[in-house]
Amino acid sequence: AQTVTQSQPEMSVQEAETVTLSCTYDTSESDYYLFWYKQPPSRQMILVIRQEAYKQQNATENRFSVNFQKAAKSFSLKISDSQLGDAAMYFCAIGSNDYKLSFGAGTTVTVRA
Amino acid sequence: DVKVTQSSRYLVKRTGEKVFLECVQDMDHENMFWYRQDPGLGLRLIYFSYDVKMKEKGDIPEGYSVSREKKERFSLILESASTNQTSMYLCASRLWGRETQYFGPGTRLLVL
Repeated sequence: AQTVTQSQPEMSVQEAETVTLSCTYDTSESDYYLFWYKQPPSRQMILVIRQEAYKQQNATENRFSVNFQKAAKSFSLKISDSQLGDAAMYFCAIGSNDYKLSFGAGTTVTVRA
Repeated sequence: DVKVTQSSRYLVKRTGEKVFLECVQDMDHENMFWYRQDPGLGLRLIYFSYDVKMKEKGDIPEGYSVSREKKERFSLILESASTNQTSMYLCASRLWGRETQYFGPGTRLLVL
């Protein structure tokens, strides 16, 4: 079984500042993938960034980057230069070769103008 | 771009009604999924389908069934809707062997 914990129900950030969302996970798999998905209010969930567990280098996608600490089973998301369009619920998820994704409870990010 | 569509954005049904939620994807994806999303619980997998006519139970299949007669379409069926099935339902699809799932816009179901 795989579990994902997001300990921050809500986070608030000033526009242009940086915010970090935490995620810890547990898995017995040796080969797995980690994801951050974004769900804007009343809009479709989209993939923000993904990380293969076998890769040591942290994934980066424009203003979004992760800090993947495999030994600690931690996978945090950093949003730099926050924009109003970043306001959304963010879900951390883990998947492996059995097709299924396990999601955390989500973190709601509010961006203050 | 991958497009996953769901038949309704909002649905209101009565207790005991049979409810059909439809999902269609246009990218020839083999795998399709149904999740429900509840506050504080994230997304939980109800059922998934490896391919046409194939289905597997997820973590919370009780009270639900699914149908996959065509590759592009995956239906979720609530045989007899109950108030505890009031939720947001999300469909997703992915290409066989690829990790990333693509989501539909969701159906918010209210059972009265």
